Amino acid sequence: EAQVTQNPRYLITVTGKKLTVTCSQNMNHEYMSWYRQDPGLGLRQIYYSMNVEVTDKGDVPEGYKVSRKEKRNFPLILESPSPNQTSLYFCASSLTGLAYEQYFGPGTRLTVT
Amino acid sequence: RKEVEQDPGPFNVPEGATVAFNCTYSNSASQSFFWYRQDCRKEPKLLMSVYSSGNEDGRFTAQLNRASQYISLLIRDSKLSDSATYLCVVPTGGGNKLTFGTGTQLKVEL
Repeated sequence: EAQVTQNPRYLITVTGKKLTVTCSQNMNHEYMSWYRQDPGLGLRQIYYSMNVEVTDKGDVPEGYKVSRKEKRNFPLILESPSPNQTSLYFCASSLTGLAYEQYFGPGTRLTVT
Repeated sequence: RKEVEQDPGPFNVPEGATVAFNCTYSNSASQSFFWYRQDCRKEPKLLMSVYSSGNEDGRFTAQLNRASQYISLLIRDSKLSDSATYLCVVPTGGGNKLTFGTGTQLKVEL
């Protein structure tokens, strides 16, 4: 089944404790991206990747890192999480870019205390 | 002006009604536009793409007005299952980034 998977789905952590949210797709998509969704602000793009080893900042990259060493994986790293990073995070992928349908993962609900 | 703007609603309509949402965008160079549907904090899913003047798929019609820089989504014969948040999406930043509107909430009632 074609899908985008994210892990963990739910995470409660404390300020400053490094964490990684994994994202994997099995559709051989080139484009992958991360979003956060907050009430009243909608979905905002954090980082995106056009292909392996090619990443770029979205609209809200501060406090986040990403890497794209393999085509299928695009982990999101929070080196020192803070309470303002409490949010619902979505990973998405598409064939080659934005003209194509974005397939979203199920979301990761992160709470930083 | 925001890059993508939507009326947040909620739009409460009776079953069988026709309802329309508008979305305005600021980047006149945008070539493609999308409507996504999102159910209650689940992942968004593509509803329709709009590349030229419009697109139609069953009860759903999307139209593009480039002169006024807005796209619309028309839902005919609303069903209870249409209750969701509808997200307007526009590529920005030279075409490599996606900007989502904050969404319009639709509630279809008996």
